[in-house]
Amino acid sequence: QVQLVESGGGLVKPGGSLRLSCAASGFTFIDYYMSWIRQAPGKGLEWLSYIPGGGSTVFYADSVKGRFTISRDNAKNSLYLQMNNLRAEDTAVYYCARYYETPDYWGQGTLVTVSS
Amino acid sequence: QSALTQPASVSGSPGQSITISCTGTSSDVGGDKYVSWYQQHPGKAPKLMIYEVSNRPSGVSNRFSGSKSGNTASLTISGLQAEDEADYYCGSYTSTIALYVFGTGTKVTVL
Repeated sequence: QVQLVESGGGLVKPGGSLRLSCAASGFTFIDYYMSWIRQAPGKGLEWLSYIPGGGSTVFYADSVKGRFTISRDNAKNSLYLQMNNLRAEDTAVYYCARYYETPDYWGQGTLVTVSS
Repeated sequence: QSALTQPASVSGSPGQSITISCTGTSSDVGGDKYVSWYQQHPGKAPKLMIYEVSNRPSGVSNRFSGSKSGNTASLTISGLQAEDEADYYCGSYTSTIALYVFGTGTKVTVL
């Protein structure tokens, strides 16, 4: 069965950096786009970025463009999100999701808190 | 990128039917078949309930159905049950640079 497990969240100061990881299993990883989606406390879902199986052309929401970088290692069945210059408003649960015409399978999420 | 518009809350009694709307534009909901619906219980990850406007993934109850008219998509839950109490989000592919956009979310309460 499809499993996605995020890790790497935690407490970071404003301006700091964090790298999230997502370990995938149960499907042929390279065949799918993968995405990152976040949810601020008590708020709705916000799509952030996605990357095709070959990792060539990537896409970002305006809110994170230039600060966040999505990448993947198909040999390790892993997805990453490098987050730089973090702000208080980046505080959220970050989900990785498999993307096939829509985000179809989601991980359980990892909490990122940006606070001094 | 603007979120799709959903009512903040919808409620119904057990056994009743409720409908949640999701309004976008011709660049997203109105322009494509890739409209989806997600259910999210507190503290849990979202779960795909409907994809491509009206298709149910394997294992999702047939009490959940989706439709679309113009720039508005709808999710109907029939035979409402206590376990249906959750937040529901629509989502759509968009032809703008954003590529994917979610709705504002609807809290469903079973009275």
